[in-house]
Amino acid sequence: AQSVTQLDSQVPVFEEAPVELRCNYSSSVSVYLFWYVQYPNQGLQLLLKYLSGSTLVKGINGFEAEFNKSQTSFHLRKPSVHISDTAEYFCAVSLYTSGTYKYIFGTGTRLKVLA
Amino acid sequence: GAVVSQHPSWVICKSGTSVKIECRSLDFQATTMFWYRQFPKQSLMLMATSNEGSKATYEQGVEKDKFLINHASLTLSTLTVTSAHPEDSSFYICSARDSQVEKLFFGSGTQLSVL
Repeated sequence: AQSVTQLDSQVPVFEEAPVELRCNYSSSVSVYLFWYVQYPNQGLQLLLKYLSGSTLVKGINGFEAEFNKSQTSFHLRKPSVHISDTAEYFCAVSLYTSGTYKYIFGTGTRLKVLA
Repeated sequence: GAVVSQHPSWVICKSGTSVKIECRSLDFQATTMFWYRQFPKQSLMLMATSNEGSKATYEQGVEKDKFLINHASLTLSTLTVTSAHPEDSSFYICSARDSQVEKLFFGSGTQLSVL
């Protein structure tokens, strides 16, 4: 069975400090990988995605993620966070299996940036 | 196990027919549910926000009469694609907010193919 695990439910970090949000997945078929951000009272916004090619993916707002196939991970990083980065972050995989598409989300990591 | 059940996982229909997709929160009450649409290799696009007991709030460019949303109970929201056409073929996914723990949970999606 496929699954997505976000190990940290909450991550507090001081402003201008680096941050890493962890994401691991499990799948027997090839996947596409995504990171989304959700600000309060808003819908999801795509931060970045990995479909193929270079394993280091750069996204919006200074975020980047690295696909590690051997470790089945897709951790999200930012070298220096801002107060405005406070939000909930979701890792997701998209895959095609058993004749249908599936989209599986992690449970989310709440990033709280402290002044 | 899944806390949000989305049904069906895939559906094929003829052009001109209507299709209903259900989204149920299994062990919590969801006053707010979101409906998204995704095209292959692209990010999710928020279609509408569904609030229990009131009219849905649609995003700009989404046809209200084409995509009917009903959120009649705290555990069920439905999306009906009326008079479906091939261009409506897409992957639809719902999410539900558990306001008790302030977490968002996602259904596994519905692949709609209109012939």
